[in-house]
Amino acid sequence: QEKVQQSPESLIVPEGAMVSLNCSFSDSASQSIWWYQQHPGKGPKALISIFSNGNKKEGRLTVYLNRASLHVSLHIKDSQPSDSAVYLCAVNSNYQLIWGSGTKLIIKP
Amino acid sequence: NAGVIQTPRHKVTGKGQEATLWCEPISGHSAVFWYRQTIVQGLEFLTYFRNQAPIDDSGMPKERFSAQMPNQSHSTLKIQSTQPQDSAVYLCASSLDRISNERLFFGHGTKLSVL
Repeated sequence: QEKVQQSPESLIVPEGAMVSLNCSFSDSASQSIWWYQQHPGKGPKALISIFSNGNKKEGRLTVYLNRASLHVSLHIKDSQPSDSAVYLCAVNSNYQLIWGSGTKLIIKP
Repeated sequence: NAGVIQTPRHKVTGKGQEATLWCEPISGHSAVFWYRQTIVQGLEFLTYFRNQAPIDDSGMPKERFSAQMPNQSHSTLKIQSTQPQDSAVYLCASSLDRISNERLFFGHGTKLSVL
């Protein structure tokens, strides 16, 4: 059974800082890996996904995947107060999404 | 497009009562999922429909939980004899197609409180 672990549990950074969130998984044969953002009282919203080793950039977001080390990271450039949310890593394993417990991010104005 | 619609937003039940939660997926999406979210357990998969057919209910507590999708525009999750440990946010999500790693679109959830 795939296991997904996220770190840190919580993070407070000043506005404008670069944010780095980490996710480790257990199955190197997993398919795509997704990052979701969840604001209080809302459902998770998909941000970005990656399948192949390497990196993928979309706007202020960059995701890095290293299947050999079973690690994926999400980087948010020029963080804004509206980025304050819980970030969830989800690994697609055998066509089922396995979720991490999330990182709570607070951006201080 | 209004997105995935879940009703009610909040539901309070007494222990032993029944709760029915409703979900309207995005039009044209063939896959519908139900999840439960708590602080302690995080996001837990409950069940999944594709083209209205139940495909995987491996996450459903067998005795009191049931889910149906009578037509392509709505799905229901029913919890009989609710217990305090059923208190959680129940999330419905839809996607174009489960097989091809499609992104999930979630509703706002129904917060169930069992007193």
